[in-house]
Amino acid sequence: AAGVIQSPRHLIKEKRETATLKCYPIPRHDTVYWYQQGPGQDPQFLISFYEKMQSDKGSIPDRFSAQQFSDYHSELNMSSLELGDSALYFCASSPTGTGEGEQYFGPGTRLTVT
Amino acid sequence: GENVEQHPSTLSVQEGDSAVIKCTYSDSASNYFPWYKQELGKGPQLIIDIRSNVGEKKDQRIAVTLNKTAKHFSLHITETQPEDSAVYFCAASKGDGGATNKLIFGTGTLLAVQP
Repeated sequence: AAGVIQSPRHLIKEKRETATLKCYPIPRHDTVYWYQQGPGQDPQFLISFYEKMQSDKGSIPDRFSAQQFSDYHSELNMSSLELGDSALYFCASSPTGTGEGEQYFGPGTRLTVT
Repeated sequence: GENVEQHPSTLSVQEGDSAVIKCTYSDSASNYFPWYKQELGKGPQLIIDIRSNVGEKKDQRIAVTLNKTAKHFSLHITETQPEDSAVYFCAASKGDGGATNKLIFGTGTLLAVQP
């Protein structure tokens, strides 16, 4: 079965640089969630999109922005990167229109800021 | 605010024994409770979930129970195998099939199954 695709899998950036993370949801899933997971921590919700509109927002820094495109893929844009932004970033997709809220996670992007 | 507590943080069992992980949530509006298994370097994998209108759900060696009055839910793994070794996360959301079902995660349990 098709899974959530995230790219790149690994990303190394310097402080103050920008980064763009991409997420391709499972086919026919219309909702995308972004989570951040620090080392040894649980995933923390950042932001979500349903049918290309922002549906919820969590503890996402103002330096970060995201959007969902017409093909339902989503991109997380991160600017003025800080050392503390180093983490695993997960995208999860959900069939909101037809499912019951279950979320399926991608393999993640490991961002390292030096 | 919304909070999910998870215990224990580490759990070591012998192969073939059972493992139980417990979670407590704070938001009484929560009604969807998934469990995820996360192996090193991988994304969380949904292994079982339960909704508030059900008290127990079982899938082969895995079962989840929910006590909505006490705001407790638990994961039970029977006949554990070395490949069950991973970090397990519980989560809660106000899952209504809508688009605002952000997951609030517990702090995770590192399960080690000794051969």
